[in-house]
Amino acid sequence: AQSVTQLDSQVPVFEEAPVELRCNYSSSVSVYLFWYVQYPNQGLQLLLKYLSGSTLVKGINGFEAEFNKSQTSFHLRKPSVHISDTAEYFCAVNNQGGKLIFGQGTELSVKP
Amino acid sequence: DARVTQTPRHKVTEMGQEVTMRCQPILGHNTVFWYRQTMMQGLELLAYFRNRAPLDDSGMPKDRFSAEMPDATLATLKIQPSEPRDSAVYFCASGDRGDTEAFFGQGTRLTVV
Repeated sequence: AQSVTQLDSQVPVFEEAPVELRCNYSSSVSVYLFWYVQYPNQGLQLLLKYLSGSTLVKGINGFEAEFNKSQTSFHLRKPSVHISDTAEYFCAVNNQGGKLIFGQGTELSVKP
Repeated sequence: DARVTQTPRHKVTEMGQEVTMRCQPILGHNTVFWYRQTMMQGLELLAYFRNRAPLDDSGMPKDRFSAEMPDATLATLKIQPSEPRDSAVYFCASGDRGDTEAFFGQGTRLTVV
């Protein structure tokens, strides 16, 4: 069975500082990986995805993530955050059979 | 602008009542997911469908929950009877292939008193 672990439940950071949100997964088969963002009282929207090819994936709003197969990780990064990036971020894994499983989420809080 | 539509957006009901939540997936999408979000459990996958057939509903309490797709444009999630512990936000999402991203609706916030 597949699973996703987001190592930090909350990440406080100052505006314009870099940030990394960590995600590890486990699966017995090849997977597709996703990061989603959820703003208050909204649904989830896709930030970026890894299906195959280059292990460095760029997404919207200046975010990027790197797939590391040996470490089974898919950490999300942004070199300089804005107040508007304050939200909850979810890592997700799809085992290529269509079952999409989410981690517990990381609350990113950007302070001025 | 294609989007997943969920109704109602908010529902307050008394314990023991039946609750039905509806979802209209994006036209042409053949995969539909139902998730429940709570503070304690995060996002739990309740069930998902491909081409209207249930592929996995192992996350759903079978005694009171049921999910169906009467047709390609409508997915329903029913709770009967509802209990206070069912209070949560329920999300529907759809996708056009099993391996691509899911597009989420705005959710139904359910409160059972």
